[in-house]
Amino acid sequence: SQKIEQNSEALNIQEGKTATLTCNYTNYSPAYLQWYRQDPGRGPVFLLLIRENEKEKRKERLKVTFDTTLKQSLFHITASQPADSATYLCALASGNTGKLIFGQGTTLQVKP
Amino acid sequence: NAGVMQNPRHLVRRRGQEARLRCSPMKGHSHVYWYRQLPEEGLKFMVYLQKENIIDESGMPKERFSAEFPKEGPSILRIQQVVRGDSAAYFCASSPGQASGGIEQYFGPGTRLTVT
Repeated sequence: SQKIEQNSEALNIQEGKTATLTCNYTNYSPAYLQWYRQDPGRGPVFLLLIRENEKEKRKERLKVTFDTTLKQSLFHITASQPADSATYLCALASGNTGKLIFGQGTTLQVKP
Repeated sequence: NAGVMQNPRHLVRRRGQEARLRCSPMKGHSHVYWYRQLPEEGLKFMVYLQKENIIDESGMPKERFSAEFPKEGPSILRIQQVVRGDSAAYFCASSPGQASGGIEQYFGPGTRLTVT
């Protein structure tokens, strides 16, 4: 069955460093992959979308890579700030209706 | 432009009662998705609706759960005879078109259902 895995352990880093989060998937050939941010008690907020024919995408301090051979996406936050502390979700669209399958999420804690 | 609105934000029901969760999509969006987030678990797809049509309900439990998106008014997720296992955060998301083309979904703040 289709499976998406994110590192379930929280990631703790120092302010100013680069945070790297991993998303792996199996039994799946997605046309695109999305990353969302979720703060406690709130709904997910869309961050970036990357298509299968794109190796890398950037938005301000965010960078996403997509390796369809490894079946993996990496999400980077450069020059991290305490305000970046949140749970980051990887999501793949399943089927033709666009319903999203989410990973468990990785919680990032940036310490000042 | 107001975002996706959900109400109530918190809902407490006793076992056996009915829960009605409402979702008003962003202006101009005619596609609505419902997801459920159980404690310590990820978001799980439940149902996808367009105005007056259920397009994909593959994630909906077979019994007690139903959803609608009428021509006028919000989308409603209805849970009959709630049980403790229904306690979760329910999120609604909307998009301007079918998201299969790679369109992001805009999520509401969620309704937190607690069954006592």
